[in-house]
Amino acid sequence: GENVEQHPSTLSVQEGDSAVIKCTYSDSASNYFPWYKQELGKRPQLIIDIRSNVGEKKDQRIAVTLNKTAKHFSLHITETQPEDSAVYFCAASTTGNQFYFGTGTSLTVIP
Amino acid sequence: ETGVTQTPRHLVMGMTNKKSLKCEQHLGHNAMYWYKQSAKKPLELMFVYSLEERVENNSVPSRFSPECPNSSHLFLHLHTLQPEDSALYLCASSQGSQGNSPLHFGNGTRLTVT
Repeated sequence: GENVEQHPSTLSVQEGDSAVIKCTYSDSASNYFPWYKQELGKRPQLIIDIRSNVGEKKDQRIAVTLNKTAKHFSLHITETQPEDSAVYFCAASTTGNQFYFGTGTSLTVIP
Repeated sequence: ETGVTQTPRHLVMGMTNKKSLKCEQHLGHNAMYWYKQSAKKPLELMFVYSLEERVENNSVPSRFSPECPNSSHLFLHLHTLQPEDSALYLCASSQGSQGNSPLHFGNGTRLTVT
């Protein structure tokens, strides 16, 4: 089955700096890669996703890049704000409703 | 407000109890999921229902029994659980059966087994 690894497990940045979280996957058949943000005590919420026919996608301060050859994808958050502090999860999915999640990155933005 | 509603939010049960978790989605999706979230671990897929048929059972112990009476409702029946089953149980839904549409999660049920 698919194996998704996520790094780092914790990340602290100063407000206004950029944050980068990286994930690798093992199954070359994976074709959909969502990112979720989970604030303390709340449900995971989709923040951005990318499909395998695209190399990069951007939504305001958030961007995701995908390298299919190397089987890795990354989340980039620019101009970080304290409200960006949360746990971020990457996931990879093939057909058939199977989503495999990384172990999460706890991001702290220091004011 | 979330389109996926889970009840109860918190549950404490003894190892000999029987309880059920409920999930309802108001998004018109055709697939529903149960995930287990434990500290320091990835989200673990437990069950997937697509068009009310179970399409995935990820080697989950039989003390967890899912039920999907229709495309909007999903239950997780619990009996004779173990303390290590204490976790956050998340329900999710998605549209489509190709695995390339996002999951929408509920707020979860925080389960404590004593």
